[in-house]
Amino acid sequence: EVQLVESGGGLVQPGGSLRLSCEASGFTFGDHYMDWVRQAPGKGLEWAGRIRRKGNDYTTEYAASVKGRFTISREDSENSLYLQMNNLKIEDTAVYYCARTFYDGSIYYHDYWGQGTLVTVSS
Amino acid sequence: DIQLTQSPSFLSASVGDRVTITCRASQGSSTYLAWYQQKPGKAPDLLIYAASTLQSGVPSRFSGSGSGTEFTLTISSLQPEDFATYYCQQLKSYPLTFGGGTTVEIK
Repeated sequence: EVQLVESGGGLVQPGGSLRLSCEASGFTFGDHYMDWVRQAPGKGLEWAGRIRRKGNDYTTEYAASVKGRFTISREDSENSLYLQMNNLKIEDTAVYYCARTFYDGSIYYHDYWGQGTLVTVSS
Repeated sequence: DIQLTQSPSFLSASVGDRVTITCRASQGSSTYLAWYQQKPGKAPDLLIYAASTLQSGVPSRFSGSGSGTEFTLTISSLQPEDFATYYCQQLKSYPLTFGGGTTVEIK
């Protein structure tokens, strides 16, 4: 059974840092691109970024709203995905989901999501 | 960036109704579009990918169609467990973007 479990959320002051983790199980983690998607309280979904697999040199993509402040990394030997968030802003307050992608022959879609971890940025 | 506009943003329907949700893209997205269902406090679930392919395990009352800039999600006969918020997502280009969501509530 595919499982994704996020952790590391909490309350942080504006300008602070936080590192989220996503532990994967039930599949070959290293074979998949992985994404972070966030959702502000009562709002819609916002894609934050992607990390490709080793065969694609672990390259990354980011939304403009987080680029330069957030860094996505992974440790395939530990089946883990990370999101390092620096210089946090109040508008970064959200539930953060990690999501597995699958390739349908053309493009990568999200098929499994974790339960999310809440990040609150407030003074 | 490709903007996705969903309509309606809210709809009230009864069990057994046929429901259609539209997603319009600001630029052509080919068929690189997905639909998700999200219930309160839960993560989204993938319903449809590649605009019209039903994800494994999703009931056949859900269907998707469209290409380019206009897409639809149809629920042929609304069931009690279908009351939720639905999102479209384009995956043609970065940044990946979602529609604003359509909340389906019980009439």
